[in-house]
Amino acid sequence: NAGVTQTPKFQVLKTGQSMTLQCAQDMNHNSMYWYRQDPGMGLRLIYYSASEGTTDKGEVPNGYNVSRLNKREFSLRLESAAPSQTSVYFCASSGGGGYTFGSGTRLTVV
Amino acid sequence: DQQVKQNSPSLSVQEGRISILNCDYTNSMFDYFLWYKKYPAEGPTFLISISSIKDKNEDGRFTVFLNKSAKHLSLHIVPSQPGDSAVYFCAASATFGSNYQLIWGAGTKLIIKP
Repeated sequence: NAGVTQTPKFQVLKTGQSMTLQCAQDMNHNSMYWYRQDPGMGLRLIYYSASEGTTDKGEVPNGYNVSRLNKREFSLRLESAAPSQTSVYFCASSGGGGYTFGSGTRLTVV
Repeated sequence: DQQVKQNSPSLSVQEGRISILNCDYTNSMFDYFLWYKKYPAEGPTFLISISSIKDKNEDGRFTVFLNKSAKHLSLHIVPSQPGDSAVYFCAASATFGSNYQLIWGAGTKLIIKP
């Protein structure tokens, strides 16, 4: 099925642990995005990639790194997780129009 | 500084009635506006959009109105159905440059009462 696939769906980390959230799209979109959603805050952009080989910081990049592995895949890494990074993370892609979102990763840092 | 504001965190509407969700923006450079719908445990999905050259766009039960002078847009759902219960996000973009980014409101939770 065409769309954006995110893994894992749920994750619990201890403070200081690291992990990578994976995202892949099969719509041949150039642009990909990582957002976090917190209650009352809407969607906040962490990092984006306007095209393969480029990445840029969004509104809340601190504590995160990203890799645009190829046109399909865009991963988000937490090097040393903190409780403030407890959130729901969404990956999205765009071909220039609206965004297509993945189903999200619910991350809890304890 | 929030550039896109949805001032109502939640809205409750009787089934069959009209639901009106509001969104205000501050950046006059925004020229494209979108509404997304989000169910629990799912990602947002595109609902309807409007370009700044229009003041109304309609798609079935959904109509978006844009008032550029007031920097205000609204989403009307008529008639409201139980399946419309979801969180609705307003988003805006300024399609300048090579980067296409959406700025998001905080969302409004719509509850349709039977």
